[in-house]
Amino acid sequence: SAVISQKPSRDICQRGTSLTIQCQVDSQVTMMFWYRQQPGQSLTLIATANQGSEATYESGFVIDKFPISRPNLTFSTLTVSNMSPEDSSIYLCSVPGIPPYEQYFGPGTRLTVT
Amino acid sequence: GDSVTQMEGPVTLSEEAFLTINCTYTATGYPSLFWYVQYPGEGLQLLLKATKADDKGSNKGFEATYRKETTSFHLEKGSVQVSDSAVYFCALIGSGGSNYKLTFGKGTLLTVNP
Repeated sequence: SAVISQKPSRDICQRGTSLTIQCQVDSQVTMMFWYRQQPGQSLTLIATANQGSEATYESGFVIDKFPISRPNLTFSTLTVSNMSPEDSSIYLCSVPGIPPYEQYFGPGTRLTVT
Repeated sequence: GDSVTQMEGPVTLSEEAFLTINCTYTATGYPSLFWYVQYPGEGLQLLLKATKADDKGSNKGFEATYRKETTSFHLEKGSVQVSDSAVYFCALIGSGGSNYKLTFGKGTLLTVNP
């Protein structure tokens, strides 16, 4: 299994500002995923981040709002831009395992926007 | 598209009670099915999985059987403990899922009282 860490674990931010969330994996992986879990809701995939190429965004999510970087095979960042209270959520990164149909999740970043 | 429907919560049980959380899915072909658990304040953990029809996944006393004919993957445990209190998510990855995209149900909050 993969060990995944995220920073920060939680943050309280003012509306209109941006926050960058870091995800670090203890092994090299081709794909990394970013999910959002709104309060009391399920997880929704934001985007898939492949090293060396542009991230692929799911319907309803755009690069201007959620820019993603993937500088190497063990690290990715997700930025939540121009935040509003509706962005208050837990943001999680995950990676596929072996066999590839499993996924391993980071502990999440709990974001509150005031 | 793929979808997962799971039993609405919250579910409250007494210790040693029998647990069933229903999960049905819609997907083409033969998806892989999962149950994830999220303990209070923690990230998601894979609880169990099944990758083909009639497979039974099991872990920590929990079981779920992949039923193709009823498109179901119900989670069961014979005797719950206080420590099982958590949110449980049913999920799938579609067959031929080269992007490994997980589709989640809305989650079921389980509270076990002593």
